[in-house]
This record gives sequence, C-alpha cells and structure tokens, in this order.
Amino acid sequence: GENVEQHPSTLSVQEGDSAVIKCTYSDSASNYFPWYKQELGKRPQLIIDIRSNVGEKKDQRIAVTLNKTAKHFSLHITETQPEDSAVYFCAASSNSGNTPLVFGKGTRLSVIA
Amino acid sequence: NAGVTQTPKFRVLKTGQSMTLLCAQDMNHEYMYWYRQDPGMGLRLIHYSVGEGTTAKGEVPDGYNVSRLKKQNFLLGLESAAPSQTSVYFCASSYSAHEQYFGPGTRLTVT
Repeated sequence: GENVEQHPSTLSVQEGDSAVIKCTYSDSASNYFPWYKQELGKRPQLIIDIRSNVGEKKDQRIAVTLNKTAKHFSLHITETQPEDSAVYFCAASSNSGNTPLVFGKGTRLSVIA
Repeated sequence: NAGVTQTPKFRVLKTGQSMTLLCAQDMNHEYMYWYRQDPGMGLRLIHYSVGEGTTAKGEVPDGYNVSRLKKQNFLLGLESAAPSQTSVYFCASSYSAHEQYFGPGTRLTVT
C-alpha cells in the first residue's frame, strides 16, 4: 500500500521568510495530493491540493509542486506570517474509487515574529 | 450547515469500559472516516466507510468496531478500553475519496 514520508518534522522560520515542506510517496498509482493545516486544538483543514496532471498550483502565498517521476511533492509558503504557525500534513491517494488518503506524520511550523 | 459534528468532545474512561463515539455529517457525503491522532504519529486511519451499510479496516483497526447504518452517521465503538487508546479521535467525511472535511475531534483518556 501507499506510504507517505514527510520532512522536516519541525521547522522554524523568521516572519517574512519562506517555508518549504517536502513529502515523498511510494505508490506510482497515486494521483491526488492534498495539504492540510491544523492549528493548535483545532481540526485539520484543507489548504491546497494538486492532481497528477498538474506540476504546480498556487493560491496567494501558498504553492504546491509535484514531481511524479521522483514521487515527491512540496508545499511552499512565502512571506510567512505568525498565523501560518500550525502543523501541516501532506497526503496521497489514487483515484481508484475507494482508496482513502494516506497522511504523512506532519510538520510543526513555527513562524517567529 | 453544521458540517461534521462529533459527540462527545471529551471523555474519560476506566480500563475495560466501553463507549461509542458518534460522527454526523449533513453534507450527503458517501465516504466517512475515523482517525486517531497521537503526538508525532500524524493521522492514522482506524476504519472507514464508502457508503451506507459498508465498512472497511484502516491502518489501526484493532480494538475498535464501527457501524454505518445511516448515511449521515458513522459510529466508532470501543468494547473494552485500554490506556493505549488514549488519543484524540477525528471523524471526517468526503463526497469522493478525496477532499475530506474533519469534525472537531473527541479527546479520550483511558485510565
């Protein structure tokens, strides 16, 4: 089955700097790659996702890139702000109907003002 | 639209006791999931359902049972709670097998 590895487990950046979180996956059939943000004490919420027919997707300060050949995808946050501090999870799944998402173990991002 | 709701929000159990966690969604989603979240372990799938009357095992199903008698509800049962089941439990639902909407979580402590 699918295995998703996420790095780093913790990341501290200065406010205004960029942050990059990387994930690798094992199943070449996977074609859907979402990122979730979980603030302290809250539920995970989808912030951006990408499908395998697209190499990059942007939404304001957030972007995700996908390299299907290397089986890795990354989350990029530019001009970080204190409210970006949270745990971020990547995930992967195939489009074969009933295959649930497999999540990485998460990255705790701290943005220092 | 309440989205995904979970009952209860908090619970303390003694070892050996049983309980049921209720998840409800009002988005007419086919897919529903139960996860547990432990420090450093991410979100681990316990059981899931791809439609009313169906259930399937996830990554960590032992010690848990589930039922999906109605499309909008997904119940997670612990028959004989153990301290290793102390965790935060999240329910989620989705229209397809992709974008998932999470509930607020249930914090369970087993002493």
